[in-house]
Amino acid sequence: NAGVTQTPKFQVLKTGQSMTLQCAQDMNHEYMSWYRQDPGMGLRLIHYSVGAGITDQGEVPNGYNVSRSTTEDFPLRLLSAAPSQTSVYFCASSPSAGESRGNTIYFGEGSWLTVV
Amino acid sequence: SQKIEQNSEALNIQEGKTATLTCNYTNYSPAYLQWYRQDPGRGPVFLLLIRENEKEKRKERLKVTFDTTLKQSLFHITASQPADSATYLCALDLTGGGNKLTFGTGTQLKVEL
Repeated sequence: NAGVTQTPKFQVLKTGQSMTLQCAQDMNHEYMSWYRQDPGMGLRLIHYSVGAGITDQGEVPNGYNVSRSTTEDFPLRLLSAAPSQTSVYFCASSPSAGESRGNTIYFGEGSWLTVV
Repeated sequence: SQKIEQNSEALNIQEGKTATLTCNYTNYSPAYLQWYRQDPGRGPVFLLLIRENEKEKRKERLKVTFDTTLKQSLFHITASQPADSATYLCALDLTGGGNKLTFGTGTQLKVEL
C-alpha cells in the first residue's frame, strides 16, 4: 500500500515554462487536495477535489490548474511558471465525509519546485 | 482578519518532561481541529483530531485539549523522547469535510537528552 505518491520529488524550471506535478493515491479516497508550503506561511490550499470530475479552488489557486479524471489521480499543472511559485508542494487525500466526519488526511512526501 | 497562531520560536525541553504546544485562532469557528507532525523534508503525518464538542482527546503519550471559548488548543506530549523532535502543525477543519484544512505555521520541538 503506497498511500499518496508524488512525482517528481525535485524540479527546477525556468520562468515561463509549464509542468505538471503528479499525485496518485491507492486508498480509493474521494477527496484530494494540493497545498503549498512556504517558510513562515504554513500550508496553503491551492485546489481540491471531492470526487472524479469535480474540482474547486482553494486559498491560492492563481497560476495553477487541476483536473480529476479518475479517483486515483489528481495532477497539478503550472501554466507559466513564476519565481513566486518556488515552493514545496504537497498532495493529500482523505475518505469522503460520508464515511467518517472529520477524516484523517494523508499527505504525500512533497515535491520541491524551484523556478529561476 | 482570520489567524491561526502557533509558537514561532522553537521549544526545547529535556527528555522525560512534558511538552506543551499552543494553537490559538481568531475569527474561525472550526468543526474540527487536527494536529500533525512534520519531519524535515517529509510530508505532514496526522496525529490527533478533536471535534468542537470535545474537550480532550488522548492517544498513547499524546493529549489534545480544545477550548472553543478561548479559541485555543493545547497539544501535550508526556514523557518526551528525542524521537519526538519535529515540527508540530495545528490545522483547522472549518467544514468538517476533511478535505480543506487551514494550517498554522507550526512549532519546532527539540527534545534533548
